[in-house]
Amino acid sequence: RKEVEQDPGPFNVPEGATVAFNCTYSNSASQSFFWYRQDCRKEPKLLMSVYSSGNEDGRFTAQLNRASQYISLLIRDSKLSDSATYLCVVITGGSYIPTFGRGTSLIVHP
Amino acid sequence: DAGVIQSPRHEVTEMGQEVTLRCKPISGHNSLFWYRQTMMRGLELLIYFNNNVPIDDSGMPEDRFSAKMPNASFSTLKIQPSEPRDSAVYFCASTLGTGSNSPLHFGNGTRLTVT
Repeated sequence: RKEVEQDPGPFNVPEGATVAFNCTYSNSASQSFFWYRQDCRKEPKLLMSVYSSGNEDGRFTAQLNRASQYISLLIRDSKLSDSATYLCVVITGGSYIPTFGRGTSLIVHP
Repeated sequence: DAGVIQSPRHEVTEMGQEVTLRCKPISGHNSLFWYRQTMMRGLELLIYFNNNVPIDDSGMPEDRFSAKMPNASFSTLKIQPSEPRDSAVYFCASTLGTGSNSPLHFGNGTRLTVT
């Protein structure tokens, strides 16, 4: 089993739709979690951290389920500009080595 | 503030040549990472420095790859000799501290093509 797994997609949704991605991780000692966004031919950029109690930033909501070892990202009212690849990042305590998932591709169409 | 700066942005070279990629982390950041990204394998960690010291180089593919960080503001990744399978985008990233809540900040990447 890979350390961090994501459904590659693509998720093809119309503008205004709500879409959710999951990311599973294998190491129960994982401590920190992030979602990054990567546009085509660009570098990954931090979208948001994921806190234990869940957190929201505008149209984006991130949640952590430690029991089932996954994190999720929910995007409400999708915009064309949300089209990108969304990468989850898991950091295991002690080593501090960020491990990236392969990413989930989102395409928002008119 | 300037972000992580990488050079060159693009590099095209012939098999067998030496390639040197450069990175300037964000001032004050004390951890630096080199990643390689390909369609097949995604983002792979090559090596990680903390306070200029290599901490984990288990991701370096083979002896042809080497990385240095002579000071807090500069790092290099060298491939000698280069091979076509080294073609990828190489990203450098830095972070403040080793606390697990510190996110990575990426440079623009170097797109390497080895013919």
